[in-house]
Amino acid sequence: AQTVTQSQPEMSVQEAETVTLSCTYDTSESNYYLFWYKQPPSRQMILVIRQEAYKQQNATENRFSVNFQKAAKSFSLKISDSQLGDTAMYFCAFGGSTLGRLYFGRGTQLTVWP
Amino acid sequence: DAGVTQSPTHLIKTRGQHVTLRCSPISGHKSVSWYQQVLGQGPQFIFQYYEKEERGRGNFPDRFSARQFPNYSSELNVNALLLGDSALYLCASSKGQGDPYEKLFFGSGTQLSVL
Repeated sequence: AQTVTQSQPEMSVQEAETVTLSCTYDTSESNYYLFWYKQPPSRQMILVIRQEAYKQQNATENRFSVNFQKAAKSFSLKISDSQLGDTAMYFCAFGGSTLGRLYFGRGTQLTVWP
Repeated sequence: DAGVTQSPTHLIKTRGQHVTLRCSPISGHKSVSWYQQVLGQGPQFIFQYYEKEERGRGNFPDRFSARQFPNYSSELNVNALLLGDSALYLCASSKGQGDPYEKLFFGSGTQLSVL
């Protein structure tokens, strides 16, 4: 079975600063995918960034980047130049061989303050 | 283009009742997945449908059922509601081309409260 663990229930960061959210996972699958989703108060889950496990290069999307450590089964999200609009719940998710089936962590509530 | 739409947005039911939640995927998307998000937790996978066939089922009792229609919209049905069924129910759609890496697009969910 796949498990995803987010050990930080809450984080806060000042606007324009950098913050890192942690995620660890456990799986026996060899080919998988990792995601970070953002859920603002509107409740809609929005994909922030994704990483294929077979790719060694860390994914980057503008201000968002990941640190993927396959051997350690770690997948952290770094947000640079934090903005007020980044305030949301962030979920780490694992996707394996089944289309549409993701395993989510419990989430980290990120608050960006002025 | 419209995103994933879910209806209703909020719903209040009493224990033992039945509920039907509806989801319309993005135009051209053939795969629909359903997730349950209990307060304070991450979403949990319930079902996945592709081309009107069930392709995956999570660890939920038989009180939960779903179906997908020829226009790719979907319904989630829950019978004999329990207090523990109170949650946000999320629908996600994707093109469903068989690539598990493809992007999922989520709706804003239906908030179900069971009293």
